[in-house]
Amino acid sequence: DPKIIQKPKYLVAVTGSEKILICEQYLGHNAMYWYRQSAKKPLEFMFSYSYQKLMDNQTASSRFQPQSSKKNHLDLQITALKPDDSATYFCASRQDRGGDAEQFFGPGTRLTVL
Amino acid sequence: GEKVEQHQSTLSVREGDSAVINCTYTDTASSYFPWYKQEAGKSLHFVIDIRSNVDRKQSQRLTVLLDKKAKRFSLHITATQPEDSAIYFCAASTPMNTGGLSGKLTFGEGTQVTVIS
Repeated sequence: DPKIIQKPKYLVAVTGSEKILICEQYLGHNAMYWYRQSAKKPLEFMFSYSYQKLMDNQTASSRFQPQSSKKNHLDLQITALKPDDSATYFCASRQDRGGDAEQFFGPGTRLTVL
Repeated sequence: GEKVEQHQSTLSVREGDSAVINCTYTDTASSYFPWYKQEAGKSLHFVIDIRSNVDRKQSQRLTVLLDKKAKRFSLHITATQPEDSAIYFCAASTPMNTGGLSGKLTFGEGTQVTVIS
């Protein structure tokens, strides 16, 4: 059974629209993350959450807003979509015990903005 | 901020030979260095990691070496097999300015490893 679920797997959007990427993890982890992978840039950290609180934000644009409604959920809302937002968005999670530990990645959502 | 560089974008090895992937980092505060494998069209799969309190870690056919003075770490794969073919990413975890650990990973650009039968 998949331990980290990302929905949808593929997403096509038009410029200027808004989309929400869903992430749920069933590993019992308390920390969740969003990363982005595009053809132009390597894997890029976006956000980290621990116990549903924002820990780190490396996304310059306020168009990207994480939302944590439950401790095992971290969704990503993207507004005013641009073609440059086209990428695969990966959700990850780990158990935060105060030190570093392996992060587990979800299958990704491939977003294409036309 | 932290920058991680992988110096080989591609690496071809014959089945049974060893492969070595090298990475460098810039932030001396980085303390955790994981490696991930990504097969075509798939997600990232953790393979091995090393913490800054050691300079070597081995797991079966994988060995990671860490040289903190040179800010360099490397992944060694011995007795390569066709299923080792994938993109390998190195990464570094750096504390936040507050000193806490957010778990943020900074990744290298990836190395496409091809094992030739």
